[in-house]
Amino acid sequence: SQQGEEDPQALSIQEGENATMNCSYKTSINNLQWYRQNSGRGLVHLILIRSNEREKHSGRLRVTLDTSKKSSSLLITASRAADTASYFCATDGGNRDDKIIFGKGTRLHILP
Amino acid sequence: GAVVSQHPSRVICKSGTSVKIECRSLDFQATTMFWYRQFPKKSLMLMATSNEGSKATYEQGVEKDKFLINHASLTLSTLTVTSAHPEDSSFYICSARAGSSTDTQYFGPGTRLTVL
Repeated sequence: SQQGEEDPQALSIQEGENATMNCSYKTSINNLQWYRQNSGRGLVHLILIRSNEREKHSGRLRVTLDTSKKSSSLLITASRAADTASYFCATDGGNRDDKIIFGKGTRLHILP
Repeated sequence: GAVVSQHPSRVICKSGTSVKIECRSLDFQATTMFWYRQFPKKSLMLMATSNEGSKATYEQGVEKDKFLINHASLTLSTLTVTSAHPEDSSFYICSARAGSSTDTQYFGPGTRLTVL
């Protein structure tokens, strides 16, 4: 299976701290994306990183990709209560496969 | 970004009935739409991929006669859960993509199905 595996599965940190979530996958990819999902809601696309990129920034988000280790990390700096959500990495299949497959997700809880 | 809508957002039905969920791309033409299912506190599992004008491709383990998918136009795909049972209760999310596999997928807000 190509499904990504996030760790940790759950993370609780104090507001203002940085949160780091990791994702590992099994097969070659074209792109890796990170999504946020608030409880019972749809997905919000956060950032896409291509296989030939190593790092990408967007506001308080920083994503790294290590294709040799088949892993990615999502760093949220200066966390806020509104960052409480589940975070998923998602990879495409690479080659001619165009499906996006989601990892199991990390449930992030920001403590006030 | 592009907008994808789903209707209804929430549906409760009796066991044995069929339920139709609509997924619409509002400001772009979606050649490909995807249907996902999500159980509480779990990840999204891809159910099927549908291309406009052709039959959907179902993932292994997904019953095509149970989950009927129609992608009749470039802006609309429907998922019909036939003869629903309580175990079909779940959060169903669609996504839509304009063109090639390098294009972004845009996700709908999801539909909460509860089968009594």
